[in-house]
Amino acid sequence: AQSVTQLGSHVSVSEGALVLLRCNYSSSVPPYLFWYVQYPNQGLQLLLKYTTGATLVKGINGFEAEFKKSETSFHLTKPSAHMSDAAEYFCAVSVRRGTSYGKLTFGQGTILTVHP
Amino acid sequence: DGGITQSPKYLFRKEGQNVTLSCEQNLNHDAMYWYRQDPGQGLRLIYYSQIVNDFQKGDIAEGYSVSREKKESFPLTVTSAQKNPTAFYLCASSSQREGRTGYNEQFFGPGTRLTVL
Repeated sequence: AQSVTQLGSHVSVSEGALVLLRCNYSSSVPPYLFWYVQYPNQGLQLLLKYTTGATLVKGINGFEAEFKKSETSFHLTKPSAHMSDAAEYFCAVSVRRGTSYGKLTFGQGTILTVHP
Repeated sequence: DGGITQSPKYLFRKEGQNVTLSCEQNLNHDAMYWYRQDPGQGLRLIYYSQIVNDFQKGDIAEGYSVSREKKESFPLTVTSAQKNPTAFYLCASSSQREGRTGYNEQFFGPGTRLTVL
């Protein structure tokens, strides 16, 4: 079985500051890793994903994440926060094979607040 | 444009009533999923279907039922047996075929907010 832990249910930054949202995962088989963003009362939108290959993944809106197998982490970063980045962010894991193939397990979410 | 639609956006139910939430996709995806979202709990999987006429229970299936008679449609019924149905419900789909758009990633609909009166 796989699991995801997002450290910090709320993160607050100033506009222009670095954004760092933390995600650690547990999986008994090689994982696929995802970050999604959700604006109020809307569905989830994919920011980026790691499947295979390069461990530094670039996504939309200037976000990126690095897969670190030794640390079982997939932290999301953005060099400079914008007011429009205020939203809830979810880290998720799925597996490459087995009976759970294709199923996503989500973290509990991190609400990002951006101050002017 | 391809995508996933959910209806209605808001739904009110009286206690003891069954209600059905609609989910339709025109992405030609094989797999479809239903999640429940509660504040501070992330998304929890209710049911999923990887092929027409077949579906499996997720982590919190009690009090819910689904059908998958067509590839494009995956309706969710919230029955009177669900003790606390007030929540935001999200439908998603994905392709299970390597090389296809959406392979190994889930696309989400806009959600339905269900409130029990």
